[in-house]
Amino acid sequence: GAGVSQSPSNKVTEKGKDVELRCDPISGHTALYWYRQSLGQGLEFLIYFQGNSAPDKSGLPSDRFSAERTGGSVSTLTIQRTQQEDSAVYLCASSFTRRDWNEQFFGPGTRLTVL
Amino acid sequence: ILNVEQSPQSLHVQEGDSTNFTCSFPSSNFYALHWYRWETAKSPEALFVMTLNGDEKKKGRISATLNTKEGYSYLYIKGSQPEDSATYLCASTMYSGGGADGLTFGKGTHLIIQP
Repeated sequence: GAGVSQSPSNKVTEKGKDVELRCDPISGHTALYWYRQSLGQGLEFLIYFQGNSAPDKSGLPSDRFSAERTGGSVSTLTIQRTQQEDSAVYLCASSFTRRDWNEQFFGPGTRLTVL
Repeated sequence: ILNVEQSPQSLHVQEGDSTNFTCSFPSSNFYALHWYRWETAKSPEALFVMTLNGDEKKKGRISATLNTKEGYSYLYIKGSQPEDSATYLCASTMYSGGGADGLTFGKGTHLIIQP
């Protein structure tokens, strides 16, 4: 597609359940980023991929969060045993490379609500 | 300044008025400063990328300036229109060992244009 796509657009889940969020970056973009924005907060960096590897996992808030990227393209962010504080908009972005100031192109986000 | 800070957090402006808001960022190891516009239910969209002290960029009624020595950038909107209503995000990139090192975002300024 022409832009970054994410699915689902909205997800409501019960506390304790696992959720999986998907990101499909722009074709040819080697760098992929996950962010989240909780209510009243700025964009919080979670993790980035260069190709299929994730050299920077420093932003993952706990070991309940994990992410993978396959084929240098699609990425999934998995949250296990969701908690109410995980409620946020999860954004994915991609760019041509990371070690450059290339523009990051964002997807529309997944709004996660944990009841 | 260790983080990217934006002010004000929110702003109500009458249609037709001009407005501006501020982004403060770490001035050491500065590489680039980005402005994004994030409209409700849409993806953040890049407005400007600036790298040089004194840079000024313009797109229609929106312009931005950059002071890398003191670590701030201003975004100006002239003759505000309802379609300017959005959250405006600022992000800085720092120089790290041969290249830029990703984006650190501020919390954004939520702009509401009142007809």
